[in-house]
Amino acid sequence: DTEVTQTPKHLVMGMTNKKSLKCEQHMGHRAMYWYKQKAKKPPELMFVYSYEKLSINESVPSRFSPECPNSSLLNLHLHALQPEDSALYLCASSLPTSWDTQYFGPGTRLTVL
Amino acid sequence: GQNIDQPTEMTATEGAIVQINCTYQTSGFNGLFWYQQHAGEAPTFLSYNVLDGLEEKGRFSSFLSRSKGYSYLLLKELQMKDSASYLCAVFTNRDDKIIFGKGTRLHILP
Repeated sequence: DTEVTQTPKHLVMGMTNKKSLKCEQHMGHRAMYWYKQKAKKPPELMFVYSYEKLSINESVPSRFSPECPNSSLLNLHLHALQPEDSALYLCASSLPTSWDTQYFGPGTRLTVL
Repeated sequence: GQNIDQPTEMTATEGAIVQINCTYQTSGFNGLFWYQQHAGEAPTFLSYNVLDGLEEKGRFSSFLSRSKGYSYLLLKELQMKDSASYLCAVFTNRDDKIIFGKGTRLHILP
């Protein structure tokens, strides 16, 4: 199983809503990542979890709150987002030692109204 | 500063060979990734180079010269499905982060 799954595929939310993005992998990878990608731009790293602990937070606003409840799951909790947060949110996983061979999920396309 | 440069767009013909270059200046270097990304889809991993030299994987090859801060992705026997953006990304060892270039949009003509 070399698949990273993400739910939902699409999400539309208002600025006062609270929602969560979910990511799951069963490859035994102990490093998981959240990226944000705006249209026609490269992905931007947001968070890295290594062995279920947050190891990198790329100065992301607190309205984005990551959570790694176990080695297979990664969540991104969203609250009080802004329209400029509309983007494709990508989850990836890899072996934690050197980040090589990251497997990406299909992404969640988020629209904030 | 951190800088990764690659051409914005390239055009090639079906069946031909194309080389996409990437130059980088980063704080430390662990390795260099190449990803393929079709419009509206997630990136797909193509290669990861740590040592100098050429690595071949089927129709795709990737080359790295660490002393020159230079890499290229070589695509042979181009197919229409190779029309996509190709992202060069460097894994730095100073902050343990991946920095992406802006991507090269490759157009394949029949």
